[in-house]
Amino acid sequence: GQQLNQSPQSMFIQEGEDVSMNCTSSSIFNTWLWYKQDPGEGPVLLIALYKAGELTSNGRLTAQFGITRKDSFLNISASIPSDVGIYFCAGQYETSGSRLTFGEGTQLTVNP
Amino acid sequence: GAVVSQHPSRVICKSGTSVKIECRSLDFQATTMFWYRQFPKQSLMLMATSNEGSKATYEQGVEKDKFLINHASLTLSTLTVTSAHPEDSSFYICSARQGVTSLHFGNGTRLTVT
Repeated sequence: GQQLNQSPQSMFIQEGEDVSMNCTSSSIFNTWLWYKQDPGEGPVLLIALYKAGELTSNGRLTAQFGITRKDSFLNISASIPSDVGIYFCAGQYETSGSRLTFGEGTQLTVNP
Repeated sequence: GAVVSQHPSRVICKSGTSVKIECRSLDFQATTMFWYRQFPKQSLMLMATSNEGSKATYEQGVEKDKFLINHASLTLSTLTVTSAHPEDSSFYICSARQGVTSLHFGNGTRLTVT
């Protein structure tokens, strides 16, 4: 089946630092999505990417859809304590009927 | 904005009993909903795709007779965990598709089987 490798698994940073995480796939996706999940809650969409090479920002968050369509990264600039949570990438095929394959997640801890 | 409501948010049941979880799209119609399971410190794993008016499509390794899915209306899908056992304890999350590409997630249901 489809494999999504997400790294790093966890990060411990100081408030104000920038963060970068990425996902790689064994095959091509048509859409890359980045979600944040707080404890005990469902994932919340942060950024959606629909075209190879696309670079999209949402406030302090920036994500890119890799040219090969097999990878994506998410950057968070000037981190703040409320950025704490688990970040997931997810890939989607057009023909999969919106079925998502999720990465393993990156646990982010921000120290004030 | 679009909201997906999942109920209950937490449930504790005894081993051998059945539990029903509801997933509702509150302000849009969803012909397709998805059910995920998430174990602690792990990712979301798709269990099944729920299609309104037809049978659900289960992922490999998911027992359809144990995890019954009913999508009887355009705004409601239910997941029933039958004869639950402690190993079924997990966080169950639904998502509903709005239009062609938008997906909205519920807030999950924490199931604990004692």
